[in-house]
Amino acid sequence: AAGVIQSPRHLIKEKRETATLKCYPIPRHDTVYWYQQGPGQDPQFLISFYEKMQSDKGSIPDRFSAQQFSDYHSELNMSSLELGDSALYFCASSPRLNTEAFFGQGTRLTVV
Amino acid sequence: GENVEQHPSTLSVQEGDSAVIKCTYSDSASNYFPWYKQELGKRPQLIIDIRSNVGEKKDQRIAVTLNKTAKHFSLHITETQPEDSAVYFCAASRFMFSGGYNKLIFGAGTRLAVHP
Repeated sequence: AAGVIQSPRHLIKEKRETATLKCYPIPRHDTVYWYQQGPGQDPQFLISFYEKMQSDKGSIPDRFSAQQFSDYHSELNMSSLELGDSALYFCASSPRLNTEAFFGQGTRLTVV
Repeated sequence: GENVEQHPSTLSVQEGDSAVIKCTYSDSASNYFPWYKQELGKRPQLIIDIRSNVGEKKDQRIAVTLNKTAKHFSLHITETQPEDSAVYFCAASRFMFSGGYNKLIFGAGTRLAVHP
């Protein structure tokens, strides 16, 4: 069965650089969520999209932006990267009116 | 704001024993409570979930109970095995009438170690 695909799996960037993370949800899933998980921490909600519109916003820095495209894939753009942005970034998707969120394998971002 | 508290933060049991992890949520509108298992460096994987119209749900060695009045829910793992060792997260969410479910609010996680 198709799963949530995230790319890249690993990313190393220098401070002040820009990064773009991509998420391809499971087909026919219309909701996408982005989470940030620091070492030893629980996943923290960043932002979500429902039917290509932003549906909720969490603790996402102003330096970050995201969008969901017409094919439902989503991109998280991160600018002016800081050391503290180093984390695992998970994308999850869920189908309309359903509860279970399926997580992608994550992108490990390291800022040096 | 919305918050989920989870206890204990670490739990060590002998193989074959039971393990119980407890969570408390603050948003009384929450109506969906999943539990995720996460192994090191891997994605969270749903192991069981419960909705607010149900008090208990069981799936083989795993069960979840929900007390809506007290805003508590718990994960019970019986006959633990070494492969159950992982970090377990509880979460809470609520249905949005505008469509779909809103964000998952996670507990801080419980690191479970099952010793042979």
